[in-house]
Amino acid sequence: AQKVTQAQTEISVVEKEDVTLDCVYETRDTTYYLFWYKQPPSGELVFLIRRNSFDEQNEISGRYSWNFQKSTSSFNFTITASQVVDSAVYFCALPHDAGNMLTFGGGTRLMVKP
Amino acid sequence: NAGVMQNPRHLVRRRGQEARLRCSPMKGHSHVYWYRQLPEEGLKFMVYLQKENIIDESGMPKERFSAEFPKEGPSILRIQQVVRGDSAAYFCASSPSVQGNTEAFFGQGTRLTVV
Repeated sequence: AQKVTQAQTEISVVEKEDVTLDCVYETRDTTYYLFWYKQPPSGELVFLIRRNSFDEQNEISGRYSWNFQKSTSSFNFTITASQVVDSAVYFCALPHDAGNMLTFGGGTRLMVKP
Repeated sequence: NAGVMQNPRHLVRRRGQEARLRCSPMKGHSHVYWYRQLPEEGLKFMVYLQKENIIDESGMPKERFSAEFPKEGPSILRIQQVVRGDSAAYFCASSPSVQGNTEAFFGQGTRLTVV
């Protein structure tokens, strides 16, 4: 069965600090995708990234970067120079092999203080 | 190209009433997924539908909950005889296909409050 674990339920940082959100997953699939979503206080789900298990290169998008380590089944997310607007709940997710049904982690609530 | 549209955004129901949540997928998308987010929890998959068919309902509670995606019109998630524990945010997502784990696009959610 698929499983996604986000061990950090809540993280609090001061603006401009770097912060890493951890995601560990379990799957029996040999190829798969991994997702990160952001849920700001307004409640909607914002897609951040989708990565293919074939590609273990780190991805960088502005202040966001992702570190995918297939050997440890981890897909960690780092925000560099955090800002107050980064305050949100962040979810890591893994699709079921038969479709796009996503298994979500429990989420990490990030609070960035000014 | 409008995104996934859910309505209403907020719904208040008294215990015992019925709740109907609507989801219009993105244009060209024929796959719809419903998820539930209980307070302070992550999202849990409920049901996956294609036009006129339920493909996977492994996450749906066995009683009081049903879903449909008719040939014409939006997908509907129906909750009969609501109870306080049904209070949650319900999200709908749509995708154009299942090949290659295409990204699913989420609506803004319907927040159901049972009083």
